[in-house]
Amino acid sequence: QITLKESGPTLVRPTQTLTLACTYSGFSLSTNGVGVGWIRQPPGKALEWLALIYWDESKRYSPSLESRLTITTDTSKNQVVLTMTNMDPVDTARYYCAYADSSWNFGNWGQGTLVTVSS
Amino acid sequence: DIQMTQSPSTLSASVGDRVTITCRASQYISDWLAWYQQKPGKAPKLLIYRASTLEGGVPSRFSGSGSGTEFTLTISSLQPDDFATYYCQQYNSYSTFGQGTKVEIK
Repeated sequence: QITLKESGPTLVRPTQTLTLACTYSGFSLSTNGVGVGWIRQPPGKALEWLALIYWDESKRYSPSLESRLTITTDTSKNQVVLTMTNMDPVDTARYYCAYADSSWNFGNWGQGTLVTVSS
Repeated sequence: DIQMTQSPSTLSASVGDRVTITCRASQYISDWLAWYQQKPGKAPKLLIYRASTLEGGVPSRFSGSGSGTEFTLTISSLQPDDFATYYCQQYNSYSTFGQGTKVEIK
């Protein structure tokens, strides 16, 4: 059974860096074709894909946010970490991590974690 | 970036109705399209991938079609559990979601 769970701060100040962790189980990120992605959703708004890391540690980022994002993996801890720099109130959202197969289908999602950006 | 446009934004329907949601891509994406269902306070659930392949465990009343730039999600007979928001997602070039279609009770 594949499970994912996001963790991190619930409140960050403007200009700070956000660091979120996704702890997963039920699969190995070393398996060919497997990936973990991050998607966010501002309150009452649509989903927005942010980043994806593959089993071979290759990475993809949303072009509009690439300069602010870094995705890494720690397979010893079964974790994928997302950092986003220079946070702004418009970045207030629920942040989800999700399991992706080789075709970027997000078949399993975490429950999400709500991050509020406010001074 | 590839933009995804869904229509309508909101759809009012009754149990038993046939419902169709459209998703248009701003450029050619072949059949690299998925559909998700999201209920309030919950994570999205994958329904369909490769435009028309039903994810395991998803009821057969859901179907998807299309290729290129125009796609549809059809619910053949709307059930009470289907009132939710639906999103399309392209993954031909990175990934982009549509703005969502809320299916509400008429």
